[in-house]
Formats: sequence, C-alpha cells, structure tokens
Amino acid sequence: QQPVQSPQAVILREGEDAVINCSSSKALYSVHWYRQKHGEAPVFLMILLKGGEQKGHEKISASFNEKKQQSSLYLTASQLSYSGTYFCGTEYGTSYGKLTFGQGTILTVHP
Amino acid sequence: DTAVSQTPKYLVTQMGNDKSIKCEQNLGHDTMYWYKQDSKKFLKIMFSYNNKELIINETVPNRFSPKSPDKAHLNLHINSLELGDSAVYFCASSHPQGPYNEQFFGPGTRLTVL
Repeated sequence: QQPVQSPQAVILREGEDAVINCSSSKALYSVHWYRQKHGEAPVFLMILLKGGEQKGHEKISASFNEKKQQSSLYLTASQLSYSGTYFCGTEYGTSYGKLTFGQGTILTVHP
Repeated sequence: DTAVSQTPKYLVTQMGNDKSIKCEQNLGHDTMYWYKQDSKKFLKIMFSYNNKELIINETVPNRFSPKSPDKAHLNLHINSLELGDSAVYFCASSHPQGPYNEQFFGPGTRLTVL
C-alpha cells in the first residue's frame, strides 16, 4: 500500500524551512528519501531504519517515528537547489529493497 | 565515470512494436531494478534482479520481460507496445551494506507510444 506524503506542494523563499511527512498504514522496516529534479533521475538523500539507524547526506535531516509509522524530512535554510519533487520510499520487512513510493511533494524555492 | 547508464534516453515508437531498453551499472552493485514513472510522476517498481536472479516481479503485463546477462546489466524488453506503456522507465542499482540499501538511479528512458 502506497505511503501518503504531505503536503503535496510547498513554496518557500530562500532561507526558509520546510517539513515533508510520509505516513504508512503498515509497519515499516525502512524509509528512503529521494529528490527528483525536473527531467532528471531521483537522487538518494537519506535512509532511516526501524530501530533508529540512519544514513544520508550531512545537510539533510530526518526522523522516523515507529509508533506512528511516519517519517519526516527536515529542510532547513533552504536554497534554490533544494527545489524539486521529494519522494519517500517505504520498505516493509527485508524485501530485497522493494520500495513503495509516495506520491511526491513538490518543493519550490524562490529567491 | 561511475554510474548507472541507460540507452536509449528517448524512444518513440508505434503501437504494436517491440522495443528494448538497456541498463548498465559500473558501481559493483549486485542488485538492479526497473521502475516505471507515469505522467503523474508515480514511481512504481516493476522488477529486481540480484546477481542475475529475479527476486522481485510485480504485477506487470507479461509483455514486459527483463533479462540480466550479468550482474552489471539489466535489460527490459517490451512486446506489442500499447499507449499505456508511455512513461519514463528508470533503472536503479543497489549494494546492501549491512542494513542499508540505498538505490542509485539511471537517467531514465522516456518511452512514447503513438
């Protein structure tokens, strides 16, 4: 079942912060976050595991709430380069990397 | 450059034709994937291979047939193309290191069926 992302779209000015949420109705094993710019491939940002481990880019932070089966991606002091569509991909159990992606959140950063 | 590459980048064809998309990765990964991204940007996994063995086979029409000649290559052949097959197809690869299996995507192949 597809995870649900919120909000669907965010518009920011440079320097502002944003939070993107990803919720699942099923128990999660891991949550992956990717950013996709128009006409390009999704690019890995972060992976969060059940149990608290995480791995990702230094300037990106995220959380994983196991009780709520929810992950949040925190974008602070946004830059123009942050613009794009953010996807969460969820993994249920150790499933050889089978990710179910959310519908995406479009982030636009203006000067 | 180390990367996941796909050919062709664009593919325009008529309904009913058969076409193939090729993917290669030189990252030393042992797992490769095919994803379909539709016009609404919905990204859905189709297949995955681990060391040439099919491990994920989602509900996809059997007109789609993946083939992995070795762990660095994963091809996708599509028979009798239909209008609904128009989409961007992404290849990805991963190499689980401990519990982490972040996926690296190729540039995509935009398929247009007329």
